Amino acid sequence: LAKTTQPISMDSYEGQEVNITCSHNNIATNDYITWYQQFPSQGPRFIIQGYKTKVTNEVASLFIPADRKSSTLSLPRVSLSDTAVYYCLVTTSGTYKYIFGTGTRLKVLA
Amino acid sequence: DAGITQSPRHKVTETGTPVTLRCHQTENHRYMYWYRQDPGHGLRLIHYSYGVKDTDKGEVSDGYSVSRSKTEDFLLTLESATSSQTSVYFCAISESLLAGGSSYEQYFGPGTRLTVT
Repeated sequence: LAKTTQPISMDSYEGQEVNITCSHNNIATNDYITWYQQFPSQGPRFIIQGYKTKVTNEVASLFIPADRKSSTLSLPRVSLSDTAVYYCLVTTSGTYKYIFGTGTRLKVLA
Repeated sequence: DAGITQSPRHKVTETGTPVTLRCHQTENHRYMYWYRQDPGHGLRLIHYSYGVKDTDKGEVSDGYSVSRSKTEDFLLTLESATSSQTSVYFCAISESLLAGGSSYEQYFGPGTRLTVT
């Protein structure tokens, strides 16, 4: 499984766009990039998943360059309620192995 | 929200005692998982199940056993609890292992905070 590296923490202000970058140099052909969000005292919640290029949903966008060695989660116009830990995972289709790292702790300031 | 409940939500127990945590789902999903979360380690997979009576070990399975006699229930047992098993335990479910679709998502329960004294 490809190891992921992401910043330990980030601060942002309300209304700003936040970009969290994750590196996964050893990603394999059948691996997907998946992001989860976790609030204190709750289980993680799926945000977005992608394989290549760009994926967008109602919550976030995920940008993946052609070499797929990194990915960027983009949160548009964050609010205080987006304060959470964000996990980048490389997941292999067809297997159960989810490897959660320590995540990025995002703090949104007023 | 996915219908996943965990019981108990909080438990304090003594070293050496057996403990069983229960995960119950109402989604009829095939796959169920037990994770533990500790500061500095993120979430780590303990065991998972791919069907009734079908289970497999995760990365931190020592000291834990699981059972799944019904689709909706996945039990995690600590045969003889140790202080190193003090943690927050999360159950998760998913419908599929095939990425690229919404059925691949893992849905997590609210967690059980276990303290072993």
